[in-house]
Amino acid sequence: SQKIEQNSEALNIQEGKTATLTCNYTNYSPAYLQWYRQDPGRGPVFLLLIRENEKEKRKERLKVTFDTTLKQSLFHITASQPADSATYLCALSNDYKLSFGAGTTVTVRA
Amino acid sequence: SQTIHQWPATLVQPVGSPLSLECTVEGTSNPNLYWYRQAAGRGLQLLFYSVGIGQISSEVPQNLSASRPQDRQFILSSKKLLLSDSGFYLCASRRTGGNNEQFFGPGTRLTVL
Repeated sequence: SQKIEQNSEALNIQEGKTATLTCNYTNYSPAYLQWYRQDPGRGPVFLLLIRENEKEKRKERLKVTFDTTLKQSLFHITASQPADSATYLCALSNDYKLSFGAGTTVTVRA
Repeated sequence: SQTIHQWPATLVQPVGSPLSLECTVEGTSNPNLYWYRQAAGRGLQLLFYSVGIGQISSEVPQNLSASRPQDRQFILSSKKLLLSDSGFYLCASRRTGGNNEQFFGPGTRLTVL
């Protein structure tokens, strides 16, 4: 069965540094890979989508890469700020259903 | 963009009682609708999805059911709640033919005692 793993449950970094999150998957060939942000007690919010034929996508201070050979996506938050503290979820899909990883909680220290 | 409404925000129910959670969507027509459950510190588990009125697909066998009586209304129900039904329930919507992103509601925190 398909499996989605996000690198670690928690990541603590200093303000201004770059946070790098990993999403690895097995037994799956997704056409799309998405990243969502979830704050405590709230629903996830869509951040970025990258397609299987795209290597990299950027949005403001966010960057996502997608390596279908390694079956891995990297999610970068550059010049991190305390407001970036949240749980980040990766999600894979081939059609209209998403399969989510468990998430990585990022804490940015001022 | 879409707006997803869910209520109630929190709910405490005894074991064996019925459940009805409602989700309504604004800002789109004929969306794909989803119910997820999220256990503490865990990822989202897809429970049901619907591609149209009256069409429901179940992803996992369980004590719950779903219905879609109107285009932008999605209801999650149970006749008799179990302790294991406790969790954070999220409704989501995806625009048909859209970019595959999903919009989530604020969620309902259900505690079964």
